[in-house]
Amino acid sequence: EPEVTQTPSHQVTQMGQEVILRCVPISNHLYFYWYRQILGQKVEFLVSFYNNEISEKSEIFDDQFSVERPDGSNFTLKIRSTKLEDSAMYFCAGGGENTQYFGPGTRLTVL
Amino acid sequence: GEDVEQSLFLSVREGDSSVINCTYTDSSSTYLYWYKQEPGAGLQLLTYIFSNMDMKQDQRLTVLLNKKDKHLSLRIADTQTGDSAIYFCAERLHNTDKLIFGTGTRLQVFP
Repeated sequence: EPEVTQTPSHQVTQMGQEVILRCVPISNHLYFYWYRQILGQKVEFLVSFYNNEISEKSEIFDDQFSVERPDGSNFTLKIRSTKLEDSAMYFCAGGGENTQYFGPGTRLTVL
Repeated sequence: GEDVEQSLFLSVREGDSSVINCTYTDSSSTYLYWYKQEPGAGLQLLTYIFSNMDMKQDQRLTVLLNKKDKHLSLRIADTQTGDSAIYFCAERLHNTDKLIFGTGTRLQVFP
C-alpha cells in the first residue's frame, strides 16, 4: 500500500538558517497539507495546497514559511530563517476531498 | 472557539473493549476523524464519520457520534497489545481544509 514519505526524518539546524522539509505524497492525491506538533502540544494546521496554490493557511504560516510542489511529486515546506520556537515535528499530509493521510514526520530541532 | 478535548490516558486488559472519548465545541463540524500514532510513526487514519451519521462500524472499530452533545467515541473490540498507541480525534469544520486535533489519548493494553 503506498504511503506518504518525508525526508529527512530528523533535521538539526542553527537559528537563522533556512530549512527545506520534503514530502512525497501518494500519486493520486490532489490536496496537500503541512501540520506541526510542538513537543507536548496539539497537532496544528499550517497550510493546505490545491491546484498548485495555497488554499488555506493558519496564523502560524507567516512570511517565513513557503510551500511549493515544483515537479508534480515533491511537496516542500521552506522555513526561511528558523527560530528556536520552530522546533517541532512537521507532518505532511495528502488526500482527497475528505481524507488526509499523514507521513511519518520530520523532527526539526533549531539550536 | 474551536477546541477538541480528549482524556490523556486509558489502560485496558487485552481482550477487553476500549472506549476512547472526544468532545468538541464547534457545531459546524462536517467530518470527524480518528487517527492512531504508534511510537516513532506518523498519524495513521483509522476511520472517519460524516457529521450526519450516528455510527460507523469497521471491523473491530465502532465510531459513535452524538452531535447534540458534541461527543465522539471510538470503541475498539477485543483490544490487542498491538493497539497500544496514541489515538487522536480530529474535526473538520464547514468550509475549511484544516483538521483540528485533540490532545491524543494514550492507550495502554496490558496482558
